[in-house]
Amino acid sequence: DAKTTQPNSMESNEEEPVHLPCNHSTISGTDYIHWYRQLPSQGPEYVIHGLTSNVNNRMASLAIAEDRKSSTLILHRATLRDAAVYYCILRDVRNSGGSNYKLTFGKGTLLTVNP
Amino acid sequence: DSGVTQTPKHLITATGQRVTLRCSPRSGDLSVYWYQQSLDQGLQFLIQYYNGEERAKGNILERFSAQQFPDLHSELNLSSLELGDSALYFCASSMTTLNTEAFFGQGTRLTVV
Repeated sequence: DAKTTQPNSMESNEEEPVHLPCNHSTISGTDYIHWYRQLPSQGPEYVIHGLTSNVNNRMASLAIAEDRKSSTLILHRATLRDAAVYYCILRDVRNSGGSNYKLTFGKGTLLTVNP
Repeated sequence: DSGVTQTPKHLITATGQRVTLRCSPRSGDLSVYWYQQSLDQGLQFLIQYYNGEERAKGNILERFSAQQFPDLHSELNLSSLELGDSALYFCASSMTTLNTEAFFGQGTRLTVV
């Protein structure tokens, strides 16, 4: 599985934007970039995913570099509820289509949001 | 609420015992995944079932086994339990399309004493 590198921790203030970086220099053409987050005492929760183009949804935006070797998860206005561990994961859909959703989690980035 | 139901929420058992964890996937999801989360190892993929058949295996011990039943619920069986098996066990489910997400349950916290 291609690897991702994320900072161990980041800190933000409430109501401010947060940019969470992820490096994935060995990404292959069939790797989707997924972001999940895990709030304290809960299971992981899907945030967003993309392949080549930038993506927006109600939770966040995903900015993907042109060479796809890095990406940034953007929380536009952090709230206290966004304090969590954020995982950047590459999902290889080669040969399995959509039926294999095995996710390889790294250590993620622990986001602290200050009031 | 993710729609994935795991029971029980908490389980305390003794070393050497056997336990069964249960997972009901979201309605319509054919794939079920099991993950283990311990403090020192993080989230580790154990095994995947797709429509009743084993599809992928991760770092699952031989003492552990799983199955998916015709109604698509899944069970993870852990036997000859050791102290090191204490962890959170998560189940996830997903649809079979490329552009989809996985939905995780709230987990079962297993404590082996």
